[in-house]
Amino acid sequence: QQQVKQSPQSLIVQKGGISIINCAYENTAFDYFPWYQQFPGKGPALLIAIRPDVSEKKEGRFTISFNKSAKQFSLHIMDSQPGDSATYFCAAGGSQGNLIFGKGTKLSVKP
Amino acid sequence: NAGVMQNPRHLVRRRGQEARLRCSPMKGHSHVYWYRQLPEEGLKFMVYLQKENIIDESGMPKERFSAEFPKEGPSILRIQQVVRGDSAAYFCASSPSISGAGANVLTFGAGSRLTVL
Repeated sequence: QQQVKQSPQSLIVQKGGISIINCAYENTAFDYFPWYQQFPGKGPALLIAIRPDVSEKKEGRFTISFNKSAKQFSLHIMDSQPGDSATYFCAAGGSQGNLIFGKGTKLSVKP
Repeated sequence: NAGVMQNPRHLVRRRGQEARLRCSPMKGHSHVYWYRQLPEEGLKFMVYLQKENIIDESGMPKERFSAEFPKEGPSILRIQQVVRGDSAAYFCASSPSISGAGANVLTFGAGSRLTVL
């Protein structure tokens, strides 16, 4: 019930393309869904987050789509750039403050 | 605002020694979380603390691992009698509150990388 499943494990996209990463959760008590970006040797950094009262949130080239009935959410990176190459983690959290993370997606954007 | 500060950034220990990892939360944050990241894997929750209180330690191994967040000073994750399987990156995160808009908004430090020889 506490799991967050993330796919794909790795993703290669051409510069200018769209990167799409998907996550699914089980616990309906989760009410906060962030995405974190991590570069090698660094800590995860909050990229964008959504709460279940909206179905989509956009910040620049990054969009979260949220499907409450399916218990799924996804990250779309438009116009992907080589500088976006990193590992992306989805997460889910509830009232306790703790976050449960997916296993990560390693994104490579080819020039 | 210096962010979440972790030290040491790298720590090498021999099997059987003790490892102490320190974390100072962001200014104004009173909640600290510890996560462990194994190579090529996600972040696994270990423990959640407030000042002088352990709120949730459901992710902590039953033996050898302990955490504290004293009234004064940083939070400390302590691993006694380290084994090779403890080699990992340990990340600390902090948040400003447990409820309202700030709940769940975790800011991570750069991590402490433990290598056990």
